[in-house]
Amino acid sequence: KAGVTQTPRYLIKTRGQQVTLSCSPISGHRSVSWYQQTPGQGLQFLFEYFSETQRNKGNFPGRFSGRQFSNSRSEMNVSTLELGDSALYLCASSWRGSDYGYTFGSGTRLTVV
Amino acid sequence: GENVEQHPSTLSVQEGDSAVIKCTYSDSASNYFPWYKQELGKRPQLIIDIRSNVGEKKDQRIAVTLNKTAKHFSLHITETQPEDSAVYFCAASIRRSPMGGTASKLTFGTGTRLQVTL
Repeated sequence: KAGVTQTPRYLIKTRGQQVTLSCSPISGHRSVSWYQQTPGQGLQFLFEYFSETQRNKGNFPGRFSGRQFSNSRSEMNVSTLELGDSALYLCASSWRGSDYGYTFGSGTRLTVV
Repeated sequence: GENVEQHPSTLSVQEGDSAVIKCTYSDSASNYFPWYKQELGKRPQLIIDIRSNVGEKKDQRIAVTLNKTAKHFSLHITETQPEDSAVYFCAASIRRSPMGGTASKLTFGTGTRLQVTL
């Protein structure tokens, strides 16, 4: 079966712009979580969605937001980009939640210049 | 919130030797502990996991042990091979059921870079 698909793979944006990242989970998976990966901070939890509802949120500013659609696809939006937002953004899906095992997508590499 | 500490940050072993990576967690409500392997430029992949009602689990050359009392768990890789070289992340999951819904979150350790030399 198809894995977790993230688009785009690479993105270059300018400070102050906004960006939207997309994630299509494995078919049948209803839980989608987003993580930010940087060399210095490792994998930091952004938020989790389940059946179109945000169930949990990490310690990121309000510039980071997301949503989930009825087909479980999820989008993440970052507004007013800062240089420090440059990172690999990973999406992971699970049947029901974090304690059922996550499958990660290949990520979107965001560079803010 | 949950805090997961992972040691060592780097580990170099010779091919054929064993490697051990240790993690501790802070929240006794954590009930699921997966390990991920991330090769350079690739996505993290789940290699083994253990639930809080189990003390040990094995899958060929890898094994994970869990000590709930001490709140620590470890990854053991035996007979290491060059293709085991990667960054390994431990994680702990809490699944709570507050009124009106269920919240789950996977908290990761900071990673261990394993290098298997010939």
